[in-house]
Parts: sequence; structure tokens; C-alpha cells
Amino acid sequence: AQSVAQPEDQVNVAEGNPLTVKCTYSVSGNPYLFWYVQYPNRGLQFLLKYITGDNLVKGSYGFEAEFNKSQTSFHLKKPSALVSDSALYFCAVSDSPISSASKIIFGSGTRLSIRP
Amino acid sequence: SQTIHQWPATLVQPVGSPLSLECTVEGTSNPNLYWYRQAAGRGLQLLFYSVGIGQISSEVPQNLSASRPQDRQFILSSKKLLLSDSGFYLCAWKEQGYNEQFFGPGTRLTVL
Repeated sequence: AQSVAQPEDQVNVAEGNPLTVKCTYSVSGNPYLFWYVQYPNRGLQFLLKYITGDNLVKGSYGFEAEFNKSQTSFHLKKPSALVSDSALYFCAVSDSPISSASKIIFGSGTRLSIRP
Repeated sequence: SQTIHQWPATLVQPVGSPLSLECTVEGTSNPNLYWYRQAAGRGLQLLFYSVGIGQISSEVPQNLSASRPQDRQFILSSKKLLLSDSGFYLCAWKEQGYNEQFFGPGTRLTVL
């Protein structure tokens, strides 16, 4: 069975500083990893994914994530935070190959707060 | 390009009343469709998913049901709402051959 953990409920960063939102996963096969962002009262927006290839994945809004197989982690990063990055971030994992069902398991979410 | 719609955006219903939430997807064919519930702005709980018309899989036993009467339409229903049904309901779709899901804007349901 697959699972994903986001150990931090909240991350606070000053604008302009680098940010990291942590995620660890557990799957029985090859992991398919995702990051989503949710603004208040909105649906989730897809940021980036790791399927295979380079361990550093670049996504929307300047975000990137680093896949680390030995540590089973997929941390989200950004070199310089913006106030507008404040939102709820979800890490997600699937161990299914591209199958018809292909369910995704979501983490509990990390609230990112960027102070001016 | 593909778009996903949900309505209504907000809904306030009394306990014991019926429910019907609708989700439609445009710009794709034969998508996988999903219903999630999000409580208190945190984690998502997968409720139902569908890989085709009339095919519904339920993830958790509950007071809700789902139907897919058309290829790009997914409906979440209840005959009698409970207080515990309150939450933010999200519909998502996935294209065959890909893993990532794309979400609709959500419906906030309050049961009083």
C-alpha cells in the first residue's frame, strides 16, 4: 500500500528567502510523485510531477522538487519566496503504472505562510 | 484545452434533505473521474472514482452515492444528508495514459 507524509503542518518563511516543504512517501513499486497547491476556497492546482528521469523536477510558478530515492523524499523547493506563494500545499503519490484506475494518495497538506 | 466545472459553488442544506452535485469535463474523451471530500481545509478523502460510463467504484461506505450518466458527467448524490456530510467537495479528472489529476473549483456544502 502506498502512503505519503507531510511532517509539517505549517511552514513560515520571509519573503525573498528560500523555502522547502517536506514530503516523504512509501510505495511498493516505482513511485509517481506530485505536488499540488490550493488557494482558499479553490480547487487544487497541479504544480509538478516526477515519473522518471532527472531527480530535480521543475514546475509552475518557479517551484521545483527533488526526488531522493534513498531517503524516499520529494521535497518542494523555491529559491526565493513570494507573499503570493502563501497557500496549502499537497504532496501526492501513486504506485500504479498508467492504468485505468490510477488512484493518487494525498498527504495531509502543509500550510505555507510567507511574511513580507 | 480541457476544463472542469462544478456546481453549485456553495450549498446550504438542512439535515435529511437530498443532495445532487454535478461535475462536467470539457475537451477530453473517456476521462477517469473522481470525487473527493476535504474537511476543515486539510486532507483529501477519495470518495468515488469512475473509469467509464456507468462504472463507479466506492472507496468508503457512507451516506453518498455517485453516478456517471454520460462520458464527461459525474454526479454525487445523497438521499438524506447528515451533519457529517458538510465539507468541500472536489471533482477531478485524469486523462487515460497519464497519472496526474486535474481538479475542479469545488463545492462547499454546509448541512445544518
